[in-house]
Amino acid sequence: KNEVEQSPQNLTAQEGEFITINCSYSVGISALHWLQQHPGGGIVSLFMLSSGKKKHGRLIATINIQEKHSSLHITASHPRDSAVYICAVNFNTGNQFYFGTGTSLTVIP
Amino acid sequence: DTEVTQTPKHLVMGMTNKKSLKCEQHMGHRAMYWYKQKAKKPPELMFVYSYEKLSINESVPSRFSPECPNSSLLNLHLHALQPEDSALYLCASSQDHRANGYTFGSGTRLTVV
Repeated sequence: KNEVEQSPQNLTAQEGEFITINCSYSVGISALHWLQQHPGGGIVSLFMLSSGKKKHGRLIATINIQEKHSSLHITASHPRDSAVYICAVNFNTGNQFYFGTGTSLTVIP
Repeated sequence: DTEVTQTPKHLVMGMTNKKSLKCEQHMGHRAMYWYKQKAKKPPELMFVYSYEKLSINESVPSRFSPECPNSSLLNLHLHALQPEDSALYLCASSQDHRANGYTFGSGTRLTVV
């Protein structure tokens, strides 16, 4: 069964804190995406991963294929990072995305 | 151009109206997707077009009618919608059926009154 689980569902952090959001999936994938969505807004793709680690500014994404697990880290968090972060995967079985339920992040000044 | 452009950004329509949502990309992507997203929920896949042919229809009611006139353009025609159809409608595209280069549009916020 194709499943994607994210944790935590909600996260509140103080400005400057290091943040980690986790994503686990059930079967083999061709790629994993981390997406960001601000309230009422469209979706922005942050990273696409098939192995290893990627970094963009204060954002770091890692994936462990053997453990079927990925993490999104935000260093020195800022209130403008407040958004919903969604993990989405392409399973090897096709071209559809399967979305996690999202993590709602609020960063307090 | 590395964007997926959706128009309009906001739409309010009555239950007897006919309207269309438009999605455009000029990245040479050959797969395009429509998603529906309700508040605080992840997007739900509606339709997939691959090489301008409808390849997936996730049991969407016939009041939603997709159209792919060419490889750069994807429309969603709306007719006789219900208030519960109010949602954010997202378009996405990818290079091919393997979903490489997946790119989302910013969405159309639809309100049915």
